[in-house]
Amino acid sequence: GEDVEQSLFLSVREGDSSVINCTYTDSSSTYLYWYKQEPGAGLQLLTYIFSNMDMKQDQRLTVLLNKKDKHLSLRIADTQTGDSAIYFCAESRGDDKIIFGKGTRLHILP
Amino acid sequence: DAGVIQSPRHEVTEMGQEVTLRCKPISGHNSLFWYRQTMMRGLELLIYFNNNVPIDDSGMPEDRFSAKMPNASFSTLKIQPSEPRDSAVYFCASNQGPNQPQHFGDGTRLSIL
Repeated sequence: GEDVEQSLFLSVREGDSSVINCTYTDSSSTYLYWYKQEPGAGLQLLTYIFSNMDMKQDQRLTVLLNKKDKHLSLRIADTQTGDSAIYFCAESRGDDKIIFGKGTRLHILP
Repeated sequence: DAGVIQSPRHEVTEMGQEVTLRCKPISGHNSLFWYRQTMMRGLELLIYFNNNVPIDDSGMPEDRFSAKMPNASFSTLKIQPSEPRDSAVYFCASNQGPNQPQHFGDGTRLSIL
């Protein structure tokens, strides 16, 4: 199959870490991306990782890539109310197109 | 720097009317993408252009939909005639080429009554 799959919902308490998981199917993926979509807005690129990397860290964001299991995760440390959004996992396979998952809606509990 | 600019932000029209959505990509970007987002289907790629040439229009739902890119700084997505099931948020995105991140506009929220 060609799907990028991710769970639809995640609830996390403010101040805790959020971990959003994603699986993809194409072993030829070159880049993997995380996008954030806030209400009424377009998709904003958060971070991306090249397929020969295992990990990338950018401030509160940590991306982990397990190529063997075709598993990608996004960890948000010290989750804040402003992190409430839909997070999309996406992969590029060397051409112009990017394949998106259906998005994970992150809900922050007080 | 200006990002991808889409207009209008909102469009409400009656079924049967022609709808035209507009997009200005980021200057210097070679590829432009049109997406549709709904709750049921998520984000769907409709068509994309490279250097103003349509490359893949396999996601265009039917003949009622058409897209053009007359120059590097402008593209349109047209629906004629529109139907209620076309109601969705339509996004335009652009990038510099293969494997480069796509940058999205804020979308056009289309409601067909």
